Amino acid sequence: AQSVTQLDSHVSVSEGTPVLLRCNYSSSYSPSLFWYVQHPNKGLQLLLKYTSAATLVKGINGFEAEFKKSETSFHLTKPSAHMSDAAEYFCVVSEENSGNTPLVFGKGTRLSVIA
Amino acid sequence: DSGVTQTPKHLITATGQRVTLRCSPRSGDLSVYWYQQSLDQGLQFLIQYYNGEERAKGNILERFSAQQFPDLHSELNLSSLELGDSALYFCASSVGTGGYGYTFGSGTRLTVV
Repeated sequence: AQSVTQLDSHVSVSEGTPVLLRCNYSSSYSPSLFWYVQHPNKGLQLLLKYTSAATLVKGINGFEAEFKKSETSFHLTKPSAHMSDAAEYFCVVSEENSGNTPLVFGKGTRLSVIA
Repeated sequence: DSGVTQTPKHLITATGQRVTLRCSPRSGDLSVYWYQQSLDQGLQFLIQYYNGEERAKGNILERFSAQQFPDLHSELNLSSLELGDSALYFCASSVGTGGYGYTFGSGTRLTVV
């Protein structure tokens, strides 16, 4: 069964500095990978997705992630943090095309941005 | 507005009661998924419907049931409620059943007292 591990439960950065949120995945098939963001008291918004095309995926709000099969990683990065980036971020894997369970979420990483 | 509508937004009920959560998927989407988000369990997949039929089942309790109607809206029924059922319940929809990402509603916050 597929799974994801978000290596940090909380990351704190200063405004204007780079963001790195780490995610490792486990999958028996060619997975689809996603990052979702959840702002306080809001729903989940798709940031970006990898579906076996380009390994470097660009998303909304300046975020991007790189799929590295050899490292089974899908880390999320942003060159310069903004205050509005403070939220909970979820790394997600899907093997739905293989018949396995739909989206499997990591436990989340809370990003704090300090002024 | 994501296009996925969930009602009600908040629900407070007593233990032992039964509630129904409603979800209208984004126009054109045939799949509906239900997820439960709690502090201790994180986001857990409950159940998926595709075009009216149950497609996949996750960690859904026997006290919970769901269905998808001909107009593609879905309802999640929670019965014999316990304090531990207090959580945020999300509905998501997608066009098909492929792993291309889903659109989430804003959730229903259920509080059992």
